[in-house]
Amino acid sequence: EAQVTQNPRYLITVTGKKLTVTCSQNMNHEYMSWYRQDPGLGLRQIYYSMNVEVTDKGDVPEGYKVSRKEKRNFPLILESPSPNQTSLYFCASSPRRDGELFFGEGSRLTVL
Amino acid sequence: AQSVAQPEDQVNVAEGNPLTVKCTYSVSGNPYLFWYVQYPNRGLQFLLKYITGDNLVKGSYGFEAEFNKSQTSFHLKKPSALVSDSALYFCAVRVDSWGKLQFGAGTQVVVTP
Repeated sequence: EAQVTQNPRYLITVTGKKLTVTCSQNMNHEYMSWYRQDPGLGLRQIYYSMNVEVTDKGDVPEGYKVSRKEKRNFPLILESPSPNQTSLYFCASSPRRDGELFFGEGSRLTVL
Repeated sequence: AQSVAQPEDQVNVAEGNPLTVKCTYSVSGNPYLFWYVQYPNRGLQFLLKYITGDNLVKGSYGFEAEFNKSQTSFHLKKPSALVSDSALYFCAVRVDSWGKLQFGAGTQVVVTP
């Protein structure tokens, strides 16, 4: 089944404790991206990647890192999480620039 | 600045009645427009897109959207709403040549039996 898989789905952590949210897609898509969803703000792009080893900042990259060492994986790294990073995070992939996005199920992160 | 707006936080409709979710956009050049739906505790799912061609675009689950260039709108419509259509709907516009999307704030649709 074609899908985008994120882990963990739910996580409660404390300020400053490094964490990684994994994202993997099995559709051989070149384009991948991370979004955060906050009430009243819709989805805002954090980082995106056009292909292996090619990443760039989105609209809200502060406090986040990403890497794209393999085509299928695009992990989101929070080096030192803070409470303002409490949010619902989505990974998405697409086969081409103007193609539809395929989203993961989301990862709800709470930073205390 | 390129942007997209969804003027309604929530739309309430009775089952069987027509459903409309509004979206307006502001872009330079030709707009690439999308609608996505998010069911509770799920990721977003693609409904339909407009790139070029007919102003009326048909999508998944019986939804369609009408592109109106003069009004810079891309409203989502369904002739007869179902309770199962209750969800959060997002309009999005492509804002650069790399395919980056700008999402609206979302409209919660509530369909009552």
